[in-house]
Formats: sequence, C-alpha cells, structure tokens
Amino acid sequence: GAGVSQSPRYKVTKRGQDVALRCDPISGHVSLYWYRQALGQGPEFLTYFNYEAQQDKSGLPNDRFSAERPEGSISTLTIQRTEQRDSAMYRCASSSQSGTSTDTQYFGPGTRLTVL
Amino acid sequence: DAKTTQPNSMESNEEEPVHLPCNHSTISGTDYIHWYRQLPSQGPEYVIHGLTSNVNNRMASLAIAEDRKSSTLILHRATLRDAAVYYCILRDEDFGNEKLTFGTGTRLTIIP
Repeated sequence: GAGVSQSPRYKVTKRGQDVALRCDPISGHVSLYWYRQALGQGPEFLTYFNYEAQQDKSGLPNDRFSAERPEGSISTLTIQRTEQRDSAMYRCASSSQSGTSTDTQYFGPGTRLTVL
Repeated sequence: DAKTTQPNSMESNEEEPVHLPCNHSTISGTDYIHWYRQLPSQGPEYVIHGLTSNVNNRMASLAIAEDRKSSTLILHRATLRDAAVYYCILRDEDFGNEKLTFGTGTRLTIIP
C-alpha cells in the first residue's frame, strides 16, 4: 500500500518568504509527527498530532513555525519569514496507534528546504 | 530523559554477522529500547524493539543485557543493503512520550 508522502520533495525559497510543507500519512493512521533533520544529524522532533489535535509542539523552534492537521489526515507545516538557518530536510512520520511507546513510526521521503 | 551512547561508525564484511552496541546506563524500568535505521537518502525505518527479553524478527535480533544498561542489535548476515545509520532510541512507556529522540547513531559500512 501507499506509504507516507510529502510534497514538495524540494523547495528553494528566498529569505523572508513563507513556505508550506505538506504531509499525507498512511491511510487510517492516527498519529502524525514532524521532524527536522540537519545534514549528518539524526532527525529532531518538532511536533505531533493525534487525529486533528496537536498534542505536543515543544520541538517547534520559534513562533515562525506552525503546523495543522484540520481533518485528522493531511498535515501542513508552515514556516513564516524563512531564514537561512531553516534550511534542512523536513520529515513527516505517521503511526497507527496513539499514546503508546511501542508503535512503529513510518517516515516519508522528506522535503528538502533550501533558503537562499 | 535517559540517553543512549553508540559508536560513531563501524565496518563489517559482507555476509558476516554484525553486532551494533548501545549503552543506556540511565535507562528506567519503563523504557523500551527501539532501533531504527536510515539508509542513504531515505527516511528512517523501524528495525526492532524490546523491553527486557531478547527479540527476533525478520530483519534483526535484539540482545538486551540482564541489567538493561546496554543492548546489541545483531544483523545475522550483513548485505550491502544494510549499509545505513543505525539509531538506538529509548521510549518511555508512560503516555506522552511518543516522539522518537534520535542521537547521532552508528554509521555502518559494509565491505564487499
């Protein structure tokens, strides 16, 4: 079946522009996660949703970052007034369960964001 | 949060077993040990997880020390496709700890 998909796969933008990154989780998956990965580092947690509710946004670096999942399926991560330090790979993951420490997270291919 | 320590890199010959170590000396009784791996240019993928007993699946085996302060991921017969960064991650059983906290992992190189 279809895995997690993300779009666009690559995004180049100029400093100061807003960007919206989309994640389409595996159908029926309850939980959705956003991570950011710098080159040579492991992914870093940003935020996560159970259904449409944002349960944890402790990893969002500042108030320029926001995320939503209005219908409990597709999610959008928005970065306002982008800065060069926002350049990274943004990864989305989904899982079929919520509130457990044993569920498997399935990751998408990521969106490579470059801010010029 | 309990932390894990892994070697930065390891090499292994193709078709030989690989033992990837992970130290987690501050592990709590409710922490599950998870392993994910990330192949080049791909997102992380789940490998295996366990709590106290050793675990086996089609991808690998997980050997957990009796005091749970360390664990070893075992690839029984490494192939070139196993070249990846392997992450050892602790996840608390308590609600609210669903996120994965990745470290820098171990970069495994397979020598043909």
